[in-house]
Amino acid sequence: GQNIDQPTEMTATEGAIVQINCTYQTSGFNGLFWYQQHAGEAPTFLSYNVLDGLEEKGRFSSFLSRSKGYSYLLLKELQMKDSASYLCAVRGRGSQGNLIFGKGTKLSVKP
Amino acid sequence: SQTIHQWPATLVQPVGSPLSLECTVEGTSNPNLYWYRQAAGRGLQLLFYSVGIGQISSEVPQNLSASRPQDRQFILSSKKLLLSDSGFYLCAWSTYRQPIEQYFGPGTRLTVT
Repeated sequence: GQNIDQPTEMTATEGAIVQINCTYQTSGFNGLFWYQQHAGEAPTFLSYNVLDGLEEKGRFSSFLSRSKGYSYLLLKELQMKDSASYLCAVRGRGSQGNLIFGKGTKLSVKP
Repeated sequence: SQTIHQWPATLVQPVGSPLSLECTVEGTSNPNLYWYRQAAGRGLQLLFYSVGIGQISSEVPQNLSASRPQDRQFILSSKKLLLSDSGFYLCAWSTYRQPIEQYFGPGTRLTVT
C-alpha cells in the first residue's frame, strides 16, 4: 500500500525553528514535495527533493533520506505568516507526475 | 507567466443536483491537468488526471466524471451530487516535459445540502 504520515498539529514560537517530519511508504519513488497551504487557500509549492540530502531555500530547508523513507521540512526564524498547513507529497515512479499527499501538518506560530 | 483559473469560488447545491466545475490554464501548452478533492480532516485526494485532450484517467471510483474538451480546459461534472461530495475541489497543472511541481488553482468550495 501507499502511506504518508505527518504529525497532525504543531505549535511554535515566533522567531524559533521548527521541524516537520514526514515518513512515507510508496510503491516506487520519484521525488518528494512540500507544499504550504493557508486556511481556505490553495497549496503553494515550497520544495522538491529527489536525491538524499538537504535542499535550502531561504528560511525553508527540506531533507530527504530515501533509504529511511523519511523527510523533514525545517522552518527558521518563524514568522506569524508561517501559520499554515504543510503538506508532504510523494511522486511514484512511472506515474504521470501524480502525487500522493499526506494529510498535512497544521502549524500555529504564537508570539 | 502561467495562470490557472477555477470557477465558481463557492457553490452550495442540493443532493441530487448536477455539478459542473471548470478549470482553465493560461500561458502554457499541453499541460498535464489534475482534479483533487480535499475533504475536512483528510488529505488531498487525486480524482482525475489528463495528459491531453480527451485523455482522462480516474484514480477513485465515484459518481464524478471529468472531461478535457480543449488543451487548457478541464471540467469536473456530476449528474447527481451526494452529501459526501462536499469538499474543496482543486485543479492543478504541471508541464508535460518535466512533471515536477504541480501548480494549484484557487479552488472551489462545494457544500452539498
